[in-house]
Amino acid sequence: AQSVSQHNHHVILSEAASLELGCNYSYGGTVNLFWYVQYPGQHLQLLLKYFSGDPLVKGIKGFEAEFIKSKFSFNLRKPSVQWSDTAEYFCAVRGETSYDKVIFGPGTSLSVIP
Amino acid sequence: NAGVTQTPKFRILKIGQSMTLQCTQDMNHNYMYWYRQDPGMGLKLIYYSVGAGITDKGEVPNGYNVSRSTTEDFPLRLELAAPSQTSVYFCASSVRDYSYNEQFFGPGTRLTVL
Repeated sequence: AQSVSQHNHHVILSEAASLELGCNYSYGGTVNLFWYVQYPGQHLQLLLKYFSGDPLVKGIKGFEAEFIKSKFSFNLRKPSVQWSDTAEYFCAVRGETSYDKVIFGPGTSLSVIP
Repeated sequence: NAGVTQTPKFRILKIGQSMTLQCTQDMNHNYMYWYRQDPGMGLKLIYYSVGAGITDKGEVPNGYNVSRSTTEDFPLRLELAAPSQTSVYFCASSVRDYSYNEQFFGPGTRLTVL
């Protein structure tokens, strides 16, 4: 069965610090990988996704993620965080076959201190 | 396009009451999903549908029912509300395209069962 784990439950950073949020998944086949963000009081929206090709994926707002197949990982990075990046971040995985469900990780809460 | 809409936004139920959470999308998406979000647990898939007339169980289906009579609508039914069903419920949809399976989320319904 698919599963997704995220390394950190809550991360606190100062503005301009670099960010890396860990995500590991378990699945035996080819996967699509996603990072979603949920700003306070808002619904989830897509940050970036990996389907195939270049394992380094760039998303919105300066975020990027690297897919390392050998490590079953899809870590999210940003060189310099801003206060407006305070949000909940969810990693998700979908097996690349029909009817496969999208499974979400438990989320990482990021607080950025001005 | 309105995207994915959910009603109501908030609801308080007494134990044993029933209710239906409504979800509608206007993007002609085949796939629709219901998730519940509990603190520290991420999103758990309740039910999903790959098209009108087809539904299937997700990770946590007990206590819920769904139907999919049209492409646009995917209501979630709670028959006998229990305190364990206190949560935030998100509906999502996606197009049936193996290369671009991003999910679009609704604003959520916050349900409290007392």
